[in-house]
Amino acid sequence: KAGVTQTPRYLIKTRGQQVTLSCSPISGHRSVSWYQQTPGQGLQFLFEYFSETQRNKGNFPGRFSGRQFSNSRSEMNVSTLELGDSALYLCASSLGTGDNQPQHFGDGTRLSIL
Amino acid sequence: GNSVTQMEGPVTLSEEAFLTINCTYTATGYPSLFWYVQYPGEGLQLLLKATKADDKGSNKGFETTYRKETTSFHLEKGSVQVSDSAVYFCALTALTSNTGKLIFGQGTTLQVKP
Repeated sequence: KAGVTQTPRYLIKTRGQQVTLSCSPISGHRSVSWYQQTPGQGLQFLFEYFSETQRNKGNFPGRFSGRQFSNSRSEMNVSTLELGDSALYLCASSLGTGDNQPQHFGDGTRLSIL
Repeated sequence: GNSVTQMEGPVTLSEEAFLTINCTYTATGYPSLFWYVQYPGEGLQLLLKATKADDKGSNKGFETTYRKETTSFHLEKGSVQVSDSAVYFCALTALTSNTGKLIFGQGTTLQVKP
């Protein structure tokens, strides 16, 4: 069974640009969550989608947005990039949204802002 | 709000040594608890899960026990190997209805020397 697939693996952008990251969940999983990982702040929750609806959102500015498609694939978009947005962005999928549903992570997209 | 406090690293051990990584939590009710491991250049892999008090999780020689009375779920392994070198994260679910959002500890780096 294929795992969570994130594309691209690496991305380099400059300040002010925008970026779109993609995540394909494990087949049959309907919930997708996004996390930002940085050395200073650790792992922080961005948002969670289930059945194309955003169920939960973390404490990030409106420049960070996402969506989920009918096949459960998800994208996140960051506009007007800042240096502080450099991070590893991780996507995780789970069967549903229950609190005992383990989340399975992809290998992440490493975003570097110059 | 819910939070997780994890033992600071790095932890350096010799091969076959005993490992304990401490993790305590603050939460209302009974959250589900998880241990994840991150190898260099990869995403997070689910290592252990415990969903109720006194649950014991075991996988690849790693063990944890969900101890409600001390609000802890420490990670243990009787004999570590060089291949166990990685960053370990404890996490809990936020206990908000209809969400699987994870709250992570800051991570503990383990280095095992031959």
